[in-house]
Formats: sequence, structure tokens, C-alpha cells
Amino acid sequence: SAVISQKPSRDICQRGTSLTIQCQVDSQVTMMFWYRQQPGQSLTLIATANQGSEATYESGFVIDKFPISRPNLTFSTLTVSNMSPEDSSIYLCSVGTVGGNIQYFGAGTRLSVL
Amino acid sequence: DAKTTQPPSMDCAEGRAANLPCNHSTISGNEYVYWYRQIHSQGPQYIIHGLKNNETNEMASLIITEDRKSSTLILPHATLRDTAVYYCIVGKGSSNTGKLIFGQGTTLQVKP
Repeated sequence: SAVISQKPSRDICQRGTSLTIQCQVDSQVTMMFWYRQQPGQSLTLIATANQGSEATYESGFVIDKFPISRPNLTFSTLTVSNMSPEDSSIYLCSVGTVGGNIQYFGAGTRLSVL
Repeated sequence: DAKTTQPPSMDCAEGRAANLPCNHSTISGNEYVYWYRQIHSQGPQYIIHGLKNNETNEMASLIITEDRKSSTLILPHATLRDTAVYYCIVGKGSSNTGKLIFGQGTTLQVKP
């Protein structure tokens, strides 16, 4: 297993601003992922954070809106840019076992945009 | 990846077994069945996974039908802390990209 720490745990932001969410893992991992969970909904994968290369984004998500960094095997950031109220969601990071679908999740960042 | 179908909600009495069904009729031969749960205000938690044999761990048992088109997650003695949304997900194992596609899941309410 892995222990994932996310910061901040929650934030209230003004529209038009940006927020960077940090994800720290207690061990080196190959696969890191970012998800969004809109109110009352299930999780949707935003992107796979690749170490040493650009993130791989899912359909409907773009780098300009959700830039991701992955400087090493234990850390990643997700920025929500130029926020609007529609970006109010829980954002979660996870790490995966090599070649498998077993993932460990952080507690999430609860974002409210006014 | 194959799609899954789960009932939106279920109730279970505390101390009784909770049996959560999942249909995955389009599953392919190299796809596994994974179960996760999400307790309120927490991130999802991995429970168990299997390919074709029944599996058991300290949290639950997974029963997969012989044709692999459906499965059942069994919590043998449900407690109030098992109240959560349970997700059944189909995904490839060792050759996959690691992506998890979450459906709407089953909201299990364990009642005293």
C-alpha cells in the first residue's frame, strides 16, 4: 500500500483565479493519476501524470485548464486554472501499482469557487 | 474496458452479510474485476479483485460466475462503518495503462 497526502484539504476560491493542489506519496511510484468528483457524482479521470514527460489527458480535459507537473516519483501537482463555479468539485490523486489497477487514493481536495 | 452495471442502492442489517451484485457481460478474457468503496468524505479504497477464481481477503469475498459475466462482493458481517458507495470496475491486469473507469456504484446503507 501507499500513503498519499494531499494539500490543501479544502479551499474556497474566487472565479478567475488558479489553485495548485499537491500530492505527496510516501514511496516511489510509477503511476499517478488525477480525478475529479463533481457534487453527487462518481469519479472522472482527468489525466495520468507521467514522470519526466507531459501528462496524458482524458477526453474533455486540456492542459491549459489543468496543467500537471510530475517532477519526481513521489510528487505531483494539479493546477485548476482560471476557475469558474463549475470547477467546484473534489479533486483526488491516486497512485497505482505497476501494470495493475490497484490504486491508492488521497483524501481529496474540496474546492469551492465563488 | 468492459462496462459494469450495479444497482444504485441497497440496505443491509448490521451483522448480516451484504451481497453486492455486478454485471459485466462484455468482459474479455484478460480483464479483471476490481472492487473499490468510497466512504463519505474520503477517497476510494481498494477492496479486492479477481480474474475467474473466487477470492477472499480480510475485508471481503469476491464470487465470480463461471462465465465471468457477473460477480458478487460479499461483506460477511456488515457494520455501520461499511456504509459507503461500492464500485465494481473491470480493467486489464498486467498489460494495462492503470486507468480506472468509475461508474455510479451501489450505495450500501448498513442499518442498526
